[in-house]
Amino acid sequence: ILNVEQSPQSLHVQEGDSTNFTCSFPSSNFYALHWYRWETAKSPEALFVMTLNGDEKKKGRISATLNTKEGYSYLYIKGSQPEDSATYLCAFRGDYKLSFGAGTTVTVRA
Amino acid sequence: DVKVTQSSRYLVKRTGEKVFLECVQDMDHENMFWYRQDPGLGLRLIYFSYDVKMKEKGDIPEGYSVSREKKERFSLILESASTNQTSMYLCASRGTGNYNSPLHFGNGTRLTVT
Repeated sequence: ILNVEQSPQSLHVQEGDSTNFTCSFPSSNFYALHWYRWETAKSPEALFVMTLNGDEKKKGRISATLNTKEGYSYLYIKGSQPEDSATYLCAFRGDYKLSFGAGTTVTVRA
Repeated sequence: DVKVTQSSRYLVKRTGEKVFLECVQDMDHENMFWYRQDPGLGLRLIYFSYDVKMKEKGDIPEGYSVSREKKERFSLILESASTNQTSMYLCASRGTGNYNSPLHFGNGTRLTVT
């Protein structure tokens, strides 16, 4: 199992504030980096699949960047809303399998 | 939209019971996966299947088996449930031909073994 780490484990954000958190992964043998959002009582939902160094993806107020050479990706949430409360998972593909981080749980306070 | 359906949201079973977790997807995906999720750990791959009757061990296959008799259905079997198999189980599917396609997940089955 490859070492994929997410930090922080959890964070609390005031509604309207922006936040970001990190996914670290091995810098060798990179194929792809996935981000998923997992809301309570729902299924994990794909946000982004990133494959190229320097890639930036955006979906509404959520965006992600990728640095494959140093082995990290940032996820940004701009102007957090209560509906952004979820656990955000990243997953690294170094071969045919995905290795998941433990997630960052975001709680947005109204 | 792809729909991945897991048969039970919550299950409570006794130690030693044989347990079946069922997963059905409706998008003709070749690839299906079973993961478990435990607090503080990332999703861990138990088994996956890339075609009917084909299966491959994931990272933690011990104590589990799987069945893929039809393309749309992938079953996870706990041969003799133990308390350390208490966990959240997630099924996922992915289309063929692109390893970088995202996974589509079911809602999960929270299994408690007493």
